[in-house]
Amino acid sequence: EEQLAQSRAEVKKPGDSLMISCQGYGYTFSSYWIAWVRQMPGKGLEWIGVIYPGDSDTRYSPSFQGQVTISADKSSNIAYLQWSSLKASDSAMYFCARPMGVESKWYFDLWGRGTPVIVSS
Amino acid sequence: ILMTQSPATLSVSPGERVTLSCRASQSVSNNLAWYQQKPGQAPRLLIYRASARVAGFPARFSGSGSGTEFSLTISSLQAEDFAVYYCQQYNNWPGTFGQGTQVEIK
Repeated sequence: EEQLAQSRAEVKKPGDSLMISCQGYGYTFSSYWIAWVRQMPGKGLEWIGVIYPGDSDTRYSPSFQGQVTISADKSSNIAYLQWSSLKASDSAMYFCARPMGVESKWYFDLWGRGTPVIVSS
Repeated sequence: ILMTQSPATLSVSPGERVTLSCRASQSVSNNLAWYQQKPGQAPRLLIYRASARVAGFPARFSGSGSGTEFSLTISSLQAEDFAVYYCQQYNNWPGTFGQGTQVEIK
């Protein structure tokens, strides 16, 4: 069964660094893009960025460029989302998802269960 | 591209027919997806290419539209259909989502 398994909930302080993960199972992880999507409390969905684990080609939504880092380890079938200095406004649910489509016209056919991130002093 | 969904909330009785609307600020052709999200769960892909229903969702769900105007219709609402529904355009990078329509029990 295809699935994306995400790391557990995180509670951090402003200024902390953080890396959350997403591991793929049941399909050839390195052959599909993986995206990160943010959902702030009670709000809609925002595309953060996407990575191709096969060659680490990475693209960021303009709103998130420079705010986070996306990486992947194709040997372990894991994608990562990283912050160097968290802010309270980073508190949200973070989903990984598998984009499907062609030529960057992507919708998401497989989702992880989400990693809640709480940033509070 | 700005995606606008209406209404924000729909109060519906089981068995009723419901239509959710999604409007794009510019044409997205038929590159439009719908997702269903229940509380505490990840979104699930429901419709892609504006009208192609994903296996696992029953035929009471249907999508239509092209260009800037889209709709999702549930022909006879069942208890398990109460959720938030999001549209997403994927014609332009990065794909953008509407703010969602919550379908709640009347």
